[in-house]
Amino acid sequence: EPEVTQTPSHQVTQMGQEVILRCVPISNHLYFYWYRQILGQKVEFLVSFYNNEISEKSEIFDDQFSVERPDGSNFTLKIRSTKLEDSAMYFCASSGQGAYEQYFGPGTRLTVT
Amino acid sequence: TQLLEQSPQFLSIQEGENLTVYCNSSSVFSSLQWYRQEPGEGPVLLVTVVTGGEVKKLKRLTFQFGDARKDSSLHITAAQPGDTGLYLCAGNLYGQNFVFGPGTRLSVLP
Repeated sequence: EPEVTQTPSHQVTQMGQEVILRCVPISNHLYFYWYRQILGQKVEFLVSFYNNEISEKSEIFDDQFSVERPDGSNFTLKIRSTKLEDSAMYFCASSGQGAYEQYFGPGTRLTVT
Repeated sequence: TQLLEQSPQFLSIQEGENLTVYCNSSSVFSSLQWYRQEPGEGPVLLVTVVTGGEVKKLKRLTFQFGDARKDSSLHITAAQPGDTGLYLCAGNLYGQNFVFGPGTRLSVLP
């Protein structure tokens, strides 16, 4: 069964460094998303991406964040100048034509020290 | 203020019991999804409801979307230890903007 994959599973970085989180969505899906979940808190929407551009973004997704689909399979989230409060699980998701049903990856645990 | 509220926050029951958990909002959603999340893993989609009043069944799980598309319920019949997990509802407000509730943590004891 097709699934969303994410790498790395765990990333440790120092405050101020840049990180790139990678995702491979399900191959025939059209909509791509990033969410984050701070430990013990709810899942928070960051951004959605469709047709090679951002379609929606939350107030969390400020200039520190960017997304890219560099080729036909990968979808990346870049966090510039990481802060301690960026420590969280970051989930990628994708959905098909209807855009209602999102399939999540296993997540990347980002730890900023 | 939570846009989506879920109740109860925690629920611990014995195997074989029935339960209902709720997802409520003052906002109208174009669709609503239920997920189950295990610790350290991504949410797994259980169901999507789109039409007000819609009822969907997935084995022992019954999902209902409120008539006004502001709330939803998940009913589990004869709960099993394998049902243990965090149940999340997520609403689609507009476009591709999805809002998650804080979840109901269910524990089914053998």
